[in-house]
Amino acid sequence: GAVVSQHPSWVICKSGTSVKIECRSLDFQATTMFWYRQFPKQSLMLMATSNEGSKATYEQGVEKDKFLINHASLTLSTLTVTSAHPEDSSFYICSASPTGGYNEQFFGPGTRLTVL
Amino acid sequence: QKEVEQDPGPLSVPEGAIVSLNCTYSNSAFQYFMWYRQYSRKGPELLMYTYSSGNKEDGRFTAQVDKSSKYISLFIRDSQPSDSATYLCAMSAIKAAGNKLTFGGGTRVLVKP
Repeated sequence: GAVVSQHPSWVICKSGTSVKIECRSLDFQATTMFWYRQFPKQSLMLMATSNEGSKATYEQGVEKDKFLINHASLTLSTLTVTSAHPEDSSFYICSASPTGGYNEQFFGPGTRLTVL
Repeated sequence: QKEVEQDPGPLSVPEGAIVSLNCTYSNSAFQYFMWYRQYSRKGPELLMYTYSSGNKEDGRFTAQVDKSSKYISLFIRDSQPSDSATYLCAMSAIKAAGNKLTFGGGTRVLVKP
């Protein structure tokens, strides 16, 4: 149980284009999902907290107009990187916190974004 | 100073040895403690979840929490090459679902055959 999927697993795009990453909880509902960014050999950096049906809460320093988050249902959150640039290249990971559960988070497998 | 400190390693051990990992933290409000394992280019996987002080055992894994010292540990017995990964500690002061976790920087572990 507690499986989270992400799609795509990797994506290459040209500078200036937008990329959408999907995060799905497959066998549980998640009122809250989180989006992280991870650079090589570094820990997770929380970008934003996504709550179903409401606006995401972004961490300090994260551009909300650049990283658009939509949590449209209890099993799906999306992250759109708008007007991507090479510095946005990174490993993006989502996690989901089961509704009515505790504070544990279950992570997706991650999406590797490369912007050329 | 970071809220949660974790030695980045790498920690190299021979197969079959005990792996000992730890984290120290500064926020005395933390009560819920987790250990995650992350393989390269994969998302973290929850290994252990503990509340307050004490020990918890699950198979080859033992998690210990010493709140008085603000120190948590994870022990892996009979280590295998498949245990080679980065181990992240995480903690929270609030039990409810949807609360942010504070992560350590991760310790890279290498188990040599």
